Amino acid sequence: GAGVSQSPSNKVTEKGKDVELRCDPISGHTALYWYRQSLGQGLEFLIYFQGNSAPDKSGLPSDRFSAERTGGSVSTLTIQRTQQEDSAVYLCASSLMVGPGELFFGEGSRLTVL
Amino acid sequence: DQQVKQNSPSLSVQEGRISILNCDYTNSMFDYFLWYKKYPAEGPTFLISISSIKDKNEDGRFTVFLNKSAKHLSLHIVPSQPGDSAVYFCAASGGSNYKLTFGKGTLLTVNP
Repeated sequence: GAGVSQSPSNKVTEKGKDVELRCDPISGHTALYWYRQSLGQGLEFLIYFQGNSAPDKSGLPSDRFSAERTGGSVSTLTIQRTQQEDSAVYLCASSLMVGPGELFFGEGSRLTVL
Repeated sequence: DQQVKQNSPSLSVQEGRISILNCDYTNSMFDYFLWYKKYPAEGPTFLISISSIKDKNEDGRFTVFLNKSAKHLSLHIVPSQPGDSAVYFCAASGGSNYKLTFGKGTLLTVNP
């Protein structure tokens, strides 16, 4: 597809379970971002990948959160031992350029932790 | 510590009139600003941007104004259309840090 693809679009899980969220960025985009939007909040930065550089993980809220990007393309965000406060929409975005510029967002993965 | 603030959670405007959405920031390192629009169940889409070397950028019905001394920017939509009804996010980045910091958004409703 032409846009950023995320899966699953919806995930309901029980507290304490692990979840994986997948992002397939636009082909050729070297930068990939994960954000999350909790109810009534703005978009909260989680992690940023740029090419082969070490990722900027400064936004990850706890060590239960991790992300990887394989082959400079697909990225997986993993949340271990989910908690109710992890419920949010997780948005992935990609960008062609290094530096400030337009991010292209996917439709998001809505996570509900019961 | 909210570095990008959108103090109006919602705004209602009549079709054909001007919509003005406001955004304030606190980080003086920010030098690039963007507005995104978000419809329900969709990801945000880029609308317009402005660099700190400018004080105005225009694209069709959309104009963004930047007041660096006041650390304030605004998005003007004129004339407003019902299809403009969405949540508008202000975002900023600066220095060597390319991640965007977003505000909480303003829900714009344009009434026919």
